Parts: sequence; structure tokens; C-alpha cells
Amino acid sequence: DVKVTQSSRYLVKRTGEKVFLECVQDMDHENMFWYRQDPGLGLRLIYFSYDVKMKEKGDIPEGYSVSREKKERFSLILESASTNQTSMYLCASRKLAEAFFGQGTRLTVV
Amino acid sequence: GEDVEQSLFLSVREGDSSVINCTYTDSSSTYLYWYKQEPGAGLQLLTYIFSNMDMKQDQRLTVLLNKKDKHLSLRIADTQTGDSAIYFCADSPDTGRRALTFGSGTRLQVQP
Repeated sequence: DVKVTQSSRYLVKRTGEKVFLECVQDMDHENMFWYRQDPGLGLRLIYFSYDVKMKEKGDIPEGYSVSREKKERFSLILESASTNQTSMYLCASRKLAEAFFGQGTRLTVV
Repeated sequence: GEDVEQSLFLSVREGDSSVINCTYTDSSSTYLYWYKQEPGAGLQLLTYIFSNMDMKQDQRLTVLLNKKDKHLSLRIADTQTGDSAIYFCADSPDTGRRALTFGSGTRLQVQP
């Protein structure tokens, strides 16, 4: 089975902190994605990557950056966390048609 | 830009069929997906359909695609209480490089 693993299920951080969300997949997929999920808004794409060291902005990249140093790992970075970044963050990986998601990280910024 | 729309809520009785509908705007969509999300969990891929297909069946799940009307539906036969969840429709315009665009999700409530 494909496995996409996010490093934390729950995180609480303070405003202004630098936050790292980690995602690892074990199926040698080229494409990886970060979404955030908010009630009534569905999933919105933050950033995606189609290869090592390659990244592209999604629909809502402001306040975020990403890192893809190894094929299996895609990190989302909140440079200076703010309360409006409190959300559920979902990582996904994809090869061809099928896209698989991690279990999500619920981040609360206080 | 691309848009995917779903109704917000559906309630059915246990044993009945459920039909969840979705419309999309991107005429270049290559794959269309259905995901299930249970409370506090990530998204589980239920099924997907290639845009040159009209129908796909997988056990209790039937996906119908009307490409002309850009309409996708998911039918769940013999709906069970364990099917209660949020169901997301998504599309993708090509075979690997692009991200999926999601609808807002349909909450399915199954009454015993």
C-alpha cells in the first residue's frame, strides 16, 4: 500500500514562530502537494513539486514556502506563523492517475 | 479558473442508495476523482474515472460521467452507517504534473 506520512497529527505554535510540517511518501512518486482544508472552503492548494528541488506556487502560497531536497520528502514551512494559518494541512503524493493523502496535521496558532 | 462544485449535505436511510453530484468547469480534465474523509482523518481515494469513460463500477460504488454537461456522480448502493463521511469530488487536467482541484465536499449522513 502507498503510504504518505505526515510528521505530526496535532501542533500548537505561537504567533511569529517558524513552523515546519514534514511529509514523507514511500512510493517513489514524482509529484507532491500541500493543501490546507478549512470548513466550507474545501481543499486549497498551497504549493506543489514535480521533482526534487522543483516547486510551484498553488492558489494560496502567501506566508508559506516549501522544500524538496529528496524525492520522498516534501516540507511546508510557515516562515512566521499567524493565527489565520490555523488549519488542517494535508500532504499528497501522486504518480500518473492516483493521488494519495497523508492523515493530516491540525495546526493551531495561538 | 477551474471550479468544482458540490451540494453541501445529503441525508439517506440505511439500506437506501446515495447519489452525490458534482459539476466541474475545466473541459481539459483528464481524471475525475471521489475521495472520502472521516472525522479527523485524511482523504481516502475511493475511485477515479478517466475522462473517456462514461461509467465505472467498483463493488457498491458506481461513478457516472457526463462529459458534455461536465457532471460527475457517485452512487453508493445499500448505504451503511459506516458510509457517513464527507465526500470530495476532484478533477485533474493531465496525467501527473498538475494538482487536483477539489469541491467543497458533501457531508453524507446515514440514518439508521
